[in-house]
Amino acid sequence: RKEVEQDPGPFNVPEGATVAFNCTYSNSASQSFFWYRQDCRKEPKLLMSVYSSGNEDGRFTAQLNRASQYISLLIRDSKLSDSATYLCVVANSGYALNFGKGTSLLVTP
Amino acid sequence: DAEITQSPRHKITETGRQVTLACHQTWNHNNMFWYRQDLGHGLRLIHYSYGVQDTNKGEVSDGYSVSRSNTEDLPLTLESAASSQTSVYFCASSESGTGNEKLFFGSGTQLSVL
Repeated sequence: RKEVEQDPGPFNVPEGATVAFNCTYSNSASQSFFWYRQDCRKEPKLLMSVYSSGNEDGRFTAQLNRASQYISLLIRDSKLSDSATYLCVVANSGYALNFGKGTSLLVTP
Repeated sequence: DAEITQSPRHKITETGRQVTLACHQTWNHNNMFWYRQDLGHGLRLIHYSYGVQDTNKGEVSDGYSVSRSNTEDLPLTLESAASSQTSVYFCASSESGTGNEKLFFGSGTQLSVL
């Protein structure tokens, strides 16, 4: 079983829609959690860290449920520029990160 | 500005050849990583280093080696290239700290083994 599981999508949504991505992780000792964004043929870039209390950055909200080993990302008022692949990322001990396979989002006019 | 650079951007080689991919960062980060990305697998960790002279195997280390002789560089060597090693390779670095370290990625190397 892959350590980090995501629905690959694709999610096709119209501009202005709200979309949510979910992710589960298998290691209950995981310590740090992130969402990365990757545009086609580009390197991944950090979108936001995920904290136990939940956190928000503009139109983006991340939630962590340690009991269910579940992470979510909510995007409100989707923009065309939000089209990308969103990677759920988990860190155990140490600094090496475990990446999910990614969820593809396409925002259409 | 500090950055992390990979070279070459594209490489075509033949099976059995030794290939080295370069990664150079000017962030002065202790931690450096090599990942490969393939359709259906996502990013998988090959090798990583937490400092000079330190190297560690990742999830898919067979057929690869790294060396860390200074802070700035972590070259990845394919000892005898195989077609299964055709992939996009990403190098990354991060600071050491107490957690939530941000990974900075290079632009990637597209490697084709024919």
